[in-house]
Amino acid sequence: EVQLVESGGGLVQPGGSLRLSCAASGFSVSNNYMSWVRQAPGKGLEWVSVIYSDGRTYYADSVKGRFTISRDNSRNTLYLQMNSLRTEDTAVYYCARDRLYGSGTQASDYWGQGTLLTVSS
Amino acid sequence: EITLTQSPATLSLSPGERATLSCRASQSIINYLAWYQQKPGQAPRLLFYDASNRATGVPARFSASGSGSDFTLTISSLEPEDFAVYFCQQRTSWPPWTFGQGTKVEIK
Repeated sequence: EVQLVESGGGLVQPGGSLRLSCAASGFSVSNNYMSWVRQAPGKGLEWVSVIYSDGRTYYADSVKGRFTISRDNSRNTLYLQMNSLRTEDTAVYYCARDRLYGSGTQASDYWGQGTLLTVSS
Repeated sequence: EITLTQSPATLSLSPGERATLSCRASQSIINYLAWYQQKPGQAPRLLFYDASNRATGVPARFSASGSGSDFTLTISSLEPEDFAVYFCQQRTSWPPWTFGQGTKVEIK
């Protein structure tokens, strides 16, 4: 059974850092595209970052240069290192598996339950 | 960056009624569009990929169509569990993979 479990959220002061983790089971993170998506309180979904199976990484402009996505294949875990945090980064952060379909495109077919990051003084 | 505009923002309907949700892209995304359902306090759930391909376990009352820049999600007869927020997401070749702002389907 595919499962994703995020952890690491909490309260951080502006300018601070935090690392989110997403432990996967039932599949290998190294063989899949893996994304982070966030949702500010009462707002919509915002795509944050993706790491491809070949290691390429991409970021939303809003987090580029501050956030780093990575994975530990031995732990089958996805990470999001967040630096220089701002109040507008406050959100529930979801990790998701991006399934590759025959057409060559992907969609996020499994999601974790999310972890809440609050950036506030 | 590709912008997705969903309409209406809120759809007030009764169980058994038909729901039609729209997602319009700022440029052609061919058919690289996914639809998600999100209920309060839950993670999103994938409904459709490639504009019209139903994900595993999605009931047949859900259908989706479209290509280019105009896409539609239809729920033929609303069940109580279908009242939720629906998001579209474009999945073109290169990120960022933006989401629409969502359509809330609420009970009238």
